[in-house]
Amino acid sequence: DAGITQSPRHKVTETGTPVTLRCHQTENHRYMYWYRQDPGHGLRLIHYSYGVKDTDKGEVSDGYSVSRSKTEDFLLTLESATSSQTSVYFCAISESSSNQPQHFGDGTRLSIL
Amino acid sequence: DAKTTQPNSMESNEEEPVHLPCNHSTISGTDYIHWYRQLPSQGPEYVIHGLTSNVNNRMASLAIAEDRKSSTLILHRATLRDAAVYYCILDILYNNNDMRFGAGTRLTVKP
Repeated sequence: DAGITQSPRHKVTETGTPVTLRCHQTENHRYMYWYRQDPGHGLRLIHYSYGVKDTDKGEVSDGYSVSRSKTEDFLLTLESATSSQTSVYFCAISESSSNQPQHFGDGTRLSIL
Repeated sequence: DAKTTQPNSMESNEEEPVHLPCNHSTISGTDYIHWYRQLPSQGPEYVIHGLTSNVNNRMASLAIAEDRKSSTLILHRATLRDAAVYYCILDILYNNNDMRFGAGTRLTVKP
């Protein structure tokens, strides 16, 4: 199994508070991704990174920011959490940008009250 | 956006083959076809992918139609552990691996 660790695995917080989710990989893969999964929507890409300090927006990036200061870590931040951001968040990694499978972490279940 | 269409659900009996269909009529010549599955309370798991030729690996086989407008994921002998949601996704060249997951097919395996 690909070495991907997401933390925390579960979090409950209040509207308006900042939240940071961490994805850590031990595979030295160049690409990292953050998705959210909601009932009726499947997985949707939030942001992705194609190298250290290189990131770009995905399909649903509003309200989220990311940072990647090291190859192995990709952080997702909700600056001011809203109830609409209650979701399950998945991190994924891949070796390159096309024709390569993505490997996913086990997810973070985030509830915003 | 290139899209895929899959049945919402399918059932299979344990130890029988399962054929999971996917339609992708708007596929481009450079789009790869990927399959993932997601077991309950887990992240998606890569199953197989291909471009034009049929592909086999330890988990499954992928049969791609000659016109590439459809494909079929084949599980040769379904087990109870294969019960999951299966996603058929197009990997669009130069789209930075932004693969769009749809609702997938929920596979139920009966003992």
